[in-house]
Amino acid sequence: DGGITQSPKYLFRKEGQNVTLSCEQNLNHDAMYWYRQDPGQGLRLIYYSQIVNDFQKGDIAEGYSVSREKKESFPLTVTSAQKNPTAFYLCASSPSNTEAFFGQGTRLTVV
Amino acid sequence: DQQVKQNSPSLSVQEGRISILNCDYTNSMFDYFLWYKKYPAEGPTFLISISSIKDKNEDGRFTVFLNKSAKHLSLHIVPSQPGDSAVYFCAASLDRGSTLGRLYFGRGTQLTVWP
Repeated sequence: DGGITQSPKYLFRKEGQNVTLSCEQNLNHDAMYWYRQDPGQGLRLIYYSQIVNDFQKGDIAEGYSVSREKKESFPLTVTSAQKNPTAFYLCASSPSNTEAFFGQGTRLTVV
Repeated sequence: DQQVKQNSPSLSVQEGRISILNCDYTNSMFDYFLWYKKYPAEGPTFLISISSIKDKNEDGRFTVFLNKSAKHLSLHIVPSQPGDSAVYFCAASLDRGSTLGRLYFGRGTQLTVWP
């Protein structure tokens, strides 16, 4: 089946640790995105990538890093510099900047 | 700075009635608008869209209206059903069809449809 797969669905991290969230798509989409959702905040853009080996910061990139070595994959690393990492993280892909297709999300909790 | 605004965090409607969700934007360069629906702990799913060259787009029970002069769009759901209960996000993009750019999202409106 074509789609976007995020893993894991739930993730727990100790304070001070880096953690990487996986996002894979087999839709052959050029663009991929990472959003963060907090209660009452809607979707805020962390990073996005239009092509392989290129990516741009979104509105809340501090404390996060990404890579785009393959068209299908856009992993997000939440570093220890991110002061409030507990949130619901959503990955999306798009053939252009029109309809974006979202994964099922990863719930990250810092313990 | 929020370029897409959904000023009503929640809306409650009786089953069978019309639901009207509103969205305002500030950037006059937006040329494509979308609505997404989201259930808890799931990713948003695309619902309906409209290009800036149109003022109305209809798909079954869902109709989106665009008023460019007012920088306002609305989503109408008729008739509303309990399964429509979800968070609805309004989104906008610049230069539709380009591989450059991104979507700008509002903060969402929680719709509750009661029997």
